[in-house]
Amino acid sequence: KAGVTQTPRYLIKTRGQQVTLSCSPISGHRSVSWYQQTPGQGLQFLFEYFSETQRNKGNFPGRFSGRQFSNSRSEMNVSTLELGDSALYLCASSLGEGGANQPQHFGDGTRLSIL
Amino acid sequence: GENVEQHPSTLSVQEGDSAVIKCTYSDSASNYFPWYKQELGKRPQLIIDIRSNVGEKKDQRIAVTLNKTAKHFSLHITETQPEDSAVYFCAASMNDMRFGAGTRLTVKP
Repeated sequence: KAGVTQTPRYLIKTRGQQVTLSCSPISGHRSVSWYQQTPGQGLQFLFEYFSETQRNKGNFPGRFSGRQFSNSRSEMNVSTLELGDSALYLCASSLGEGGANQPQHFGDGTRLSIL
Repeated sequence: GENVEQHPSTLSVQEGDSAVIKCTYSDSASNYFPWYKQELGKRPQLIIDIRSNVGEKKDQRIAVTLNKTAKHFSLHITETQPEDSAVYFCAASMNDMRFGAGTRLTVKP
């Protein structure tokens, strides 16, 4: 089985722009969670999707949004980018509902750099 | 919300020694406690997990213990090898997964 695939792997943007990141879960996995990883804040939960519905949301501003499609693929969007948004964005998939309570499988992440 | 503290932040051991990493959590409703290993430049990988109805779980050289009353759980690695060198993250979850800050383990040959 192919693992979790995230695209693009690297992205450079400037302040004020917006960005869309993509995540394809492991085949058969229906839950997708997103995390932000930075040296200072560690791994922080952004949101979780199951059956095209956002199930849980972390403590991030409304500039961070996401969605899930009927094939379980997910995208996250960050608008009005700030320097502090520079981070590794990780996507993780799990089998069923309640992804936070199941083994999660991570992708390689998208490294976003804001200039 | 849940708060997870992890100690130590760095740990250096000699090959063959044991390593122990400890985490505490704040939300008594948390019921799932995974541990992830992240090598430099790679994705976090699940190495072991435990649920709140179990006190201990072992998988070869790795074991995890959970004390629900004290709200702490620990990762034990025995007979460490250089390839065990990585950053280890604990996590606690009920509705969303909260991670500890990570422990950088170095195993010296």
